[in-house]
Amino acid sequence: EPEVTQTPSHQVTQMGQEVILRCVPISNHLYFYWYRQILGQKVEFLVSFYNNEISEKSEIFDDQFSVERPDGSNFTLKIRSTKLEDSAMYFCASSESLAGVLYFGPGTRLTVT
Amino acid sequence: AQSVTQLDSQVPVFEEAPVELRCNYSSSVSVYLFWYVQYPNQGLQLLLKYLSGSTLVESINGFEAEFNKSQTSFHLRKPSVHISDTAEYFCAVSGFGGYNKLIFGAGTRLAVHP
Repeated sequence: EPEVTQTPSHQVTQMGQEVILRCVPISNHLYFYWYRQILGQKVEFLVSFYNNEISEKSEIFDDQFSVERPDGSNFTLKIRSTKLEDSAMYFCASSESLAGVLYFGPGTRLTVT
Repeated sequence: AQSVTQLDSQVPVFEEAPVELRCNYSSSVSVYLFWYVQYPNQGLQLLLKYLSGSTLVESINGFEAEFNKSQTSFHLRKPSVHISDTAEYFCAVSGFGGYNKLIFGAGTRLAVHP
């Protein structure tokens, strides 16, 4: 069964450093998403991406964040200058259509020290 | 805008007992409804979904949920739980016509005891 994959599974970085979280969505999916879950809190929407552009973003997704689909398979989330409060589990998801089910990857645990 | 309320943050239950995890939502538009499960140290897995049709939906591992439009609820039930059902359960909603943005509830931790 096809699945969403994410790398790395765990990333430790120092405050102020740039990080790139990588995702490979399911191959025939057209809609891509990033969510995050701060420890002990609810899963929060960050951004959705379709047709090579951001379709919607949350208040959390400020200028520090960017997304990119650099090739036909990868979908990345970049945080330019990490802050302590960026520590969270980041989930990538993809769906086949607007009304399609979201399939989530296993997540990348980002720890900012 | 949509929102999701999961009324119970934790539900302890003994093995083979029935369980109900409650979920209420609010939305000004028609919605799709989902339950996702997160096992310890793992990602989110789709448990079941309501998109249209029958208001009672079932998962392959014995869970079921019923969409109740008048009560704006989508409670999750299982008649007999197993130790392996111990996990965090998230109710989520997305609205028609949007880019499939899921709004999650805060989650309910189901702890099944022997």
